[in-house]
Amino acid sequence: GQQLNQSPQSMFIQEGEDVSMNCTSSSIFNTWLWYKQDPGEGPVLLIALYKAGELTSNGRLTAQFGITRKDSFLNISASIPSDVGIYFCAGQSYTGGFKTIFGAGTRLFVKA
Amino acid sequence: DGGITQSPKYLFRKEGQNVTLSCEQNLNHDAMYWYRQDPGQGLRLIYYSQIVNDFQKGDIAEGYSVSREKKESFPLTVTSAQKNPTAFYLCASSTQARGYTFGSGTRLTVV
Repeated sequence: GQQLNQSPQSMFIQEGEDVSMNCTSSSIFNTWLWYKQDPGEGPVLLIALYKAGELTSNGRLTAQFGITRKDSFLNISASIPSDVGIYFCAGQSYTGGFKTIFGAGTRLFVKA
Repeated sequence: DGGITQSPKYLFRKEGQNVTLSCEQNLNHDAMYWYRQDPGQGLRLIYYSQIVNDFQKGDIAEGYSVSREKKESFPLTVTSAQKNPTAFYLCASSTQARGYTFGSGTRLTVV
């Protein structure tokens, strides 16, 4: 079945550093989504990507929909302590029915 | 404001008991989902429903049951058959054209 490989699993960075994480798959997706989960809360949608090659920003966050439709990355610039949390990617496909697959998450730790 | 509400936030269950987790949405979304999250882990799909009075098993449905009698509501029952129920449970809803909206979660602990 479809699977997403999200990397890295965890990151320990210094405040002010830039962060990059990505998701890859052997399957093609129609939509890529990036979520952030704060401790003890539900994930919140950060960025949605609907078109291959699309590059979208949301403040210090930038995400891209890979040209092959099999991957996506998320960058965070100038990290701050409140960036701490789990970042999930999700791929959505419409072939054979609407389906959403989540990555395992990237746990981000930011040291002030 | 539209949103998705899970209750309670924290729930304690004695071994052998069934407990029901509530999930209500006023987003007019057709589809609703239940996920389980264990510490340091990703999201695992328990059940989902794409339309009222219909639901499908996800990857880890054993020991759980759901109902979808109303579009707004998708309660999850954790039965005594679920041998390791301690986890963080997330409910979500969606439309096909957009991503998921998640609730704030219920943390279930067996005591």
